[in-house]
Amino acid sequence: GIQVEQSPPDLILQEGANSTLRCNFSDSVNNLQWFHQNPWGQLINLFYIPSGTKQNGRLSATTVATERYSLLYISSSQTTDSGVYFCAVERPTSASKIIFGSGTRLSIRP
Amino acid sequence: KAGVTQTPRYLIKTRGQQVTLSCSPISGHRSVSWYQQTPGQGLQFLFEYFSETQRNKGNFPGRFSGRQFSNSRSEMNVSTLELGDSALYLCASSLFPQNNYGYTFGSGTRLTVV
Repeated sequence: GIQVEQSPPDLILQEGANSTLRCNFSDSVNNLQWFHQNPWGQLINLFYIPSGTKQNGRLSATTVATERYSLLYISSSQTTDSGVYFCAVERPTSASKIIFGSGTRLSIRP
Repeated sequence: KAGVTQTPRYLIKTRGQQVTLSCSPISGHRSVSWYQQTPGQGLQFLFEYFSETQRNKGNFPGRFSGRQFSNSRSEMNVSTLELGDSALYLCASSLFPQNNYGYTFGSGTRLTVV
């Protein structure tokens, strides 16, 4: 099956720093989403981005489908950005099964 | 509009018991899928329902089952609970399967088996 790899697994930054999270996937996908899991466990949808670039405030994401990777950029990090960021993909023939990466744990220090 | 609602939020059960978890999707969404999250295995797909029919099932034993009602609400059931079933169970809703809008998740049910 498709493999979804996220890097780095852990990231510790000072408040105000910028960061780039990466998601590589081993096969073509028709859906790709980035999620932030808050301390209470809820997965918050950040971007639905099977291709192209999107921006939402301090966050932006780019997916290059032909090269099978996606990047999540966080600028001017705040402590509330801490948590685990997941990339999740869906394949055209997967009958709607989402496959998650193992996540990047981001810790923002004040 | 209201988001995806999962109940209960927390649950403690004893080995051998059974448990039922509930998920109400966003109004108008007809597809509901379930995921199990554990520290060791990460997020794993359990099953997906659309129009009251199970469309796909992940690699879980038969003790895990689910159903969907005509109002799109879904329940999942785990029988003969084992310690390893302790996990965060997340439900996701979408308009349709294989849609172009992505999935919205609920806050989850944290199940502890003792």
